[in-house]
Amino acid sequence: KAGVTQTPRYLIKTRGQQVTLSCSPISGHRSVSWYQQTPGQGLQFLFEYFSETQRNKGNFPGRFSGRQFSNSRSEMNVSTLELGDSALYLCASSLVVLGDTEAFFGQGTRLTVV
Amino acid sequence: DAKTTQPNSMESNEEEPVHLPCNHSTISGTDYIHWYRQLPSQGPEYVIHGLTSNVNNRMASLAIAEDRKSSTLILHRATLRDAAVYYCLSAGGTSYGKLTFGQGTILTVHP
Repeated sequence: KAGVTQTPRYLIKTRGQQVTLSCSPISGHRSVSWYQQTPGQGLQFLFEYFSETQRNKGNFPGRFSGRQFSNSRSEMNVSTLELGDSALYLCASSLVVLGDTEAFFGQGTRLTVV
Repeated sequence: DAKTTQPNSMESNEEEPVHLPCNHSTISGTDYIHWYRQLPSQGPEYVIHGLTSNVNNRMASLAIAEDRKSSTLILHRATLRDAAVYYCLSAGGTSYGKLTFGQGTILTVHP
């Protein structure tokens, strides 16, 4: 079966712009979570959605937002981009809430802010 | 969130077993212990998870201490393709809906 698909794979944006990243989970998976990975901070949790509801949110400013659609596809949006937002953004999907089930990660979207 | 502690790096020779340790002394009784690994330029890949009993799958074995304050990921015969960053973390219970990654262990496998 198809894995987690993230689009686009690479993105270059200018400071002050906004960006929308997309994640298509594995078919049947209802939970989608987002992570930011940078060399300095490692992998950090952004937020998690389950059945279109955000159930958990990490410690990121309000410029970072997301949503999940009825087909479980998810988008995350970053407004007023800063240089420090340059990172690999990873999406993970799981069948149900994480615990006794594994998460499947996409290849990520590499965002560069110039 | 339960904090995990892992060695920064470990080395192994090809075809030898590798034991990757992890301390998670603050884990709650309902948190599962998960292991993921990440190869360069790829997203993390699930390896194995467990709650109290030792677990085996095609990739690895997970040995969980009786008090659940530590665990060990065992790669029975390391290959060059196993060179990656290995993350031990907790999920479920108090970590509802998210995975909290630490710095992980960089595993180097020598031919």
